[in-house]
Amino acid sequence: KNEVEQSPQNLTAQEGEFITINCSYSVGISALHWLQQHPGGGIVSLFMLSSGKKKHGRLIATINIQEKHSSLHITASHPRDSAVYICAVFPFNTDKLIFGTGTRLQVFP
Amino acid sequence: EADIYQTPRYLVIGTGKKITLECSQTMGHDKMYWYQQDPGMELHLIHYSYGVNSTEKGDLSSESTVSRIRTEHFPLTLESARPSHTSQYLCASSELDLYSGANVLTFGAGSRLTVL
Repeated sequence: KNEVEQSPQNLTAQEGEFITINCSYSVGISALHWLQQHPGGGIVSLFMLSSGKKKHGRLIATINIQEKHSSLHITASHPRDSAVYICAVFPFNTDKLIFGTGTRLQVFP
Repeated sequence: EADIYQTPRYLVIGTGKKITLECSQTMGHDKMYWYQQDPGMELHLIHYSYGVNSTEKGDLSSESTVSRIRTEHFPLTLESARPSHTSQYLCASSELDLYSGANVLTFGAGSRLTVL
């Protein structure tokens, strides 16, 4: 079993839909990152979370430390949101990231 | 604006050539990482460094080598490139944010290597 699980693995949506991607992890962490990678592109860190909730524009990320769970929400989705979204955690006592398997999102006009 | 720079972005070379992929960051981060990623696949850690003169092998065995002579610079070298080295190489850096207690993380744009 992976230490970081993401769901769903693949997601398709119509433009304007509300999207949720989930991440569960089994280790104690100092931080969780939501990353975005467009096809053939580099990786952008969208959020760094150690508690609570953060919002950037149409993106919202939440984390529940007790339940070891995080969600990434996209409101009013747009085709340019089509990308792979990766959940990654920094476990306690290590500086090496553990990555989830990613969620491939396609938003159609 | 990127604070971590990778060059070249794209490189096509012949088998047997020596190549160096450059990675530089302007944030003063102590920790730096190299990841290898095949198209549509997961990221695999191949090298990391906790600071100057500190380098370690990652989880995925790689024939590449790295050096860390300066905090801001973490180049990756392949002495003799082969087609099996064709991949995307991503550099990252991190640092503990003392205010939040969490690790800040920044990725470079990646270097896409094709060995013919």
